[in-house]
Amino acid sequence: EPEVTQTPSHQVTQMGQEVILRCVPISNHLYFYWYRQILGQKVEFLVSFYNNEISEKSEIFDDQFSVERPDGSNFTLKIRSTKLEDSAMYFCASMGGGATRPANVLTFGAGSRLTVL
Amino acid sequence: QKEVEQNSGPLSVPEGAIASLNCTYSDRGSQSFFWYRQYSGKSPELIMFIYSNGDKEDGRFTAQLNKASQYVSLLIRDSQPSDSATYLCAVNLKNFGNEKLTFGTGTRLTIIP
Repeated sequence: EPEVTQTPSHQVTQMGQEVILRCVPISNHLYFYWYRQILGQKVEFLVSFYNNEISEKSEIFDDQFSVERPDGSNFTLKIRSTKLEDSAMYFCASMGGGATRPANVLTFGAGSRLTVL
Repeated sequence: QKEVEQNSGPLSVPEGAIASLNCTYSDRGSQSFFWYRQYSGKSPELIMFIYSNGDKEDGRFTAQLNKASQYVSLLIRDSQPSDSATYLCAVNLKNFGNEKLTFGTGTRLTIIP
């Protein structure tokens, strides 16, 4: 089964620093997402992306966040000036069909753990 | 506000018994429903999806949907220690198209050997 890959798996940064989290979605998928999960809490939607533009974003996704698809394979989440409360696991996901699943199923990457000190 | 509610648990079930996990959702327009399993420190992985009222079985797992009651459940038969995880209910407003999944807080399940 194809996978969504994310890098880095863990990043530690100082408050106020910029962070870029990278994702390679499944190659034939067209819809891309970022979710985050603060330790012990629920998986929260951040943003969805389709046809090279944001299709929906949550209240969490403020001006400090941006997403980009710089080429045909990568999908990135940038946090411009990290805050302590940005510490969380960030999951990239893509939506599309596969050999064993229908087209509207989200497939998640392994996650990038961000620790802001 | 579109909400998905789950009992956070923990739910403890003896090995070999049936585990029953429940979820309610607030938006009557919801079209598709998913159960994901999440091991500690890992990403969610799909267990089941269901679109129509009734039961859907896949191996030891059965998903049940009742749209009139806005209720979806997951039954795990012959529970194994490897089933110990957090189970996330997720709801999508549309069957297809660019729509996000909204997740519940998850139910932590522990299978007791």
